Amino acid sequence: KNQVEQSPQSLIILEGKNCTLQCNYTVSPFSNLRWYKQDTGRGPVSLTIMTFSENTKSNGRYTATLDADTKQSSLHITASQLSDSASYICVVTERGRPGGYQKVTFGTGTKLQVIP
Amino acid sequence: EAGVAQSPRYKIIEKRQSVAFWCNPISGHATLYWYQQILGQGPKLLIQFQNNGVVDDSQLPKDRFSAERLKGVDSTLKIQPAKLEDSAVYLCASSLEAMVAGAYEQYFGPGTRLTVT
Repeated sequence: KNQVEQSPQSLIILEGKNCTLQCNYTVSPFSNLRWYKQDTGRGPVSLTIMTFSENTKSNGRYTATLDADTKQSSLHITASQLSDSASYICVVTERGRPGGYQKVTFGTGTKLQVIP
Repeated sequence: EAGVAQSPRYKIIEKRQSVAFWCNPISGHATLYWYQQILGQGPKLLIQFQNNGVVDDSQLPKDRFSAERLKGVDSTLKIQPAKLEDSAVYLCASSLEAMVAGAYEQYFGPGTRLTVT
């Protein structure tokens, strides 16, 4: 069964500090991995996407890394801001068969709180 | 570009009552998804449409949940009768295409928060 596990479940950091969120997955065959940010009361919004051949991808202060061999990804947030307070969800897509659709597995998310 | 629209945003019903949610995806998006997100958990796929056909409804509790996507555009998700454990946020998402080996992003609506009392 495909699984996506995230750690930690929750995290509190001071404004201006850096943090790293982890994602381990068992999805196979692998197509791509996305990190989503979900603000309270809103739908998830994509931050980064990485395919098998990509090791790192940045989006402003967000940098995602991918190790396809160990099936691990991390999301690093630099110089955190109060607006970074949200849930961060790791989503892994399974490579579909030709003519078939791709299956997506969501992690349970890491709830980040940035405090002044 | 307009995003995914959902209504209502909030709904409170008593158990055993019926409820329906509506979703209007981004124009031109062939694939539409309904997710259930229980508090503290990640979204769980309920049903996926490709145009007006169902491609995955393996996790949809078919004894009480139903969904349709008439004309391959708007979609409705219905629960009848509702149970306490159905309290959750119901998210609708759409993507350009999910039938090819690509990296098509899912765009999510704001969700409908359902409380069953």
